[in-house]
Amino acid sequence: EAQVTQNPRYLITVTGKKLTVTCSQNMNHEYMSWYRQDPGLGLRQIYYSMNVEVTDKGDVPEGYKVSRKEKRNFPLILESPSPNQTSLYFCASSSLPGQGFYEQYFGPGTRLTVT
Amino acid sequence: ELKVEQNPLFLSMQEGKNYTIYCNYSTTSDRLYWYRQDPGKSLESLFVLLSNGAVKQEGRLMASLDTKARLSTLHITAAVHDLSATYFCAVDMNGYGNKLVFGAGTILRVKS
Repeated sequence: EAQVTQNPRYLITVTGKKLTVTCSQNMNHEYMSWYRQDPGLGLRQIYYSMNVEVTDKGDVPEGYKVSRKEKRNFPLILESPSPNQTSLYFCASSSLPGQGFYEQYFGPGTRLTVT
Repeated sequence: ELKVEQNPLFLSMQEGKNYTIYCNYSTTSDRLYWYRQDPGKSLESLFVLLSNGAVKQEGRLMASLDTKARLSTLHITAAVHDLSATYFCAVDMNGYGNKLVFGAGTILRVKS
């Protein structure tokens, strides 16, 4: 089954304790992205990647890091989480334009609470 | 900076009625997406609109795109309770489909 998986699904942590949220897709997609969702703000892009070792900032990158060492994985790293990073996080993947598929496939989400 | 505005942000409607959700955006783009999100769930792709004048329909939902007016609409025909969800539009910033700017979402409640 084609899917994007994220782990963990729920996480409660304390300020300053480094954490990683993993994202993996099995569709051989080139593009992957991270978004955060906050009430009244929709989804905002944190980082995106167009291929292995190619990443770029989205609209709200401060306080986050990413890496893309393998095509299927795109982890999101919070080196020193703060309470304003409490949010619902989504990973997404999509294929190259021209392949006929323009959809972004979203993972199930990770609800993060930083106290 | 691209701004994407959805109207209304909350919509309560009776079953059987018609209504339209509007998505206005502030800069040029030829691609727009509509998503549905159920409470506690991920986003489900509804429509991908790839050019000016594009119109797509699925069941009771129809989406259209006017790139000149920078406006997309999601029209609901004869609403049913199962359509209750949050609907997002998202504008493609770079034409590759991987850098999207979302609207704030429209919470739709269909009352029976």
